[in-house]
Amino acid sequence: GENVEQHPSTLSVQEGDSAVIKCTYSDSASNYFPWYKQELGKRPQLIIDIRSNVGEKKDQRIAVTLNKTAKHFSLHITETQPEDSAVYFCAVPAGGSYIPTFGRGTSLIVHP
Amino acid sequence: KAGVTQTPRYLIKTRGQQVTLSCSPISGHRSVSWYQQTPGQGLQFLFEYFSETQRNKGNFPGRFSGRQFSNSRSEMNVSTLELGDSALYLCASSLGSLPGQDGYTFGSGTRLTVV
Repeated sequence: GENVEQHPSTLSVQEGDSAVIKCTYSDSASNYFPWYKQELGKRPQLIIDIRSNVGEKKDQRIAVTLNKTAKHFSLHITETQPEDSAVYFCAVPAGGSYIPTFGRGTSLIVHP
Repeated sequence: KAGVTQTPRYLIKTRGQQVTLSCSPISGHRSVSWYQQTPGQGLQFLFEYFSETQRNKGNFPGRFSGRQFSNSRSEMNVSTLELGDSALYLCASSLGSLPGQDGYTFGSGTRLTVV
């Protein structure tokens, strides 16, 4: 199956700083790369995704970059706010079954 | 439109009992997947259904089973509950015919506690 590694496991920043979370994967056939945000006690929610024919995608303060050659993709959050505090998960679908394997999650803490 | 609905939200069961969890996907979503979420193991894939057929299964024992009905609603069952089955069980549906290829919409989950 797909091997997904997500780093860091915890990230603490000051409000207004930028945050970057990285995921590496093993299956070169993977072609869809979403990021999910899970606030405490709530469901995971898709916040941004990228497909393998695109190198970067932005949506206001968040962006995702993809390096298919190196098999990694990253979530970038600029001008962080306390409401960005949550656990963020990357997911990578296995090439054969298309079932997403999730990273272990990054707990982002934004200090006011 | 309504999101993914899971019932019940909370359950407390005793070791050895069985439990059935329900999930209603977003209207029009035919792929339904189930995940187990625990602090130690993260999000672990249980199984995926499409058009009433189980297409994929994760590495869980046979005590974990599920099914999907003709209206796409899905149920999962856990028999002979163990303490280690305590977890948040999440259902996720996706629009496309391939699971997760258009992103998942998750339900709020069922928090199962086994005592």
